[in-house]
Amino acid sequence: DTGVSQDPRHKITKRGQNVTFRCDPISEHNRLYWYRQTLGQGPEFLTYFQNEAQLEKSRLLSDRFSAERPKGSFSTLEIQRTEQGDSAMYLCASSSGTDYGYTFGSGTRLTVV
Amino acid sequence: KQEVTQIPAALSVPEGENLVLNCSFTDSAIYNLQWFRQDPGKGLTSLLLIQSSQREQTSGRLNASLDKSSGRSTLYIAASQPGDSATYLCAVRPVDSSYKLIFGSGTRLLVRP
Repeated sequence: DTGVSQDPRHKITKRGQNVTFRCDPISEHNRLYWYRQTLGQGPEFLTYFQNEAQLEKSRLLSDRFSAERPKGSFSTLEIQRTEQGDSAMYLCASSSGTDYGYTFGSGTRLTVV
Repeated sequence: KQEVTQIPAALSVPEGENLVLNCSFTDSAIYNLQWFRQDPGKGLTSLLLIQSSQREQTSGRLNASLDKSSGRSTLYIAASQPGDSATYLCAVRPVDSSYKLIFGSGTRLLVRP
């Protein structure tokens, strides 16, 4: 296993369109996280899955955002009716538990024009 | 509410210098602290993970210390090289919300040849 994979690496979309990102975590990790990072800032927590259950969602995750992790494997993050303020780097990470560190993917850079 | 601060925000040093990056956090109730490196437009690479019961961790030219009671961590980079140029982020895992990391805004490091 080569780590956490994210697809696509870059996405340019027009305002109002829907976009979906995919994350494939390290296979033996049962915990999966989505973060968002804007320029010059540290990443901010969006949501957390343990296996297939979504256990926590940030207030940053408006009703236009939805995340799934079917069967506790890969995860998708969908943004509906994109806005220019959604432009950011979307990062996925996985871990084995509290005592273990996070492993991040390379991120998906979203630009809304 | 846990807050993480990194000082300085940016640092430029000549090649070969030893340097220290600082991270402070407001609530000492943490499980662990993790240092990451981020190259421009890329994801996060984990450098060092320090558990709350540990004082320091070392990996090659990197040494990270943790003083939980005072809410401080430092990342020491020995004999800096131009390839060390990147943004360095620290993140804490709070006890009261152990599913997520709280990040600082990072220190942008430039090592001049």
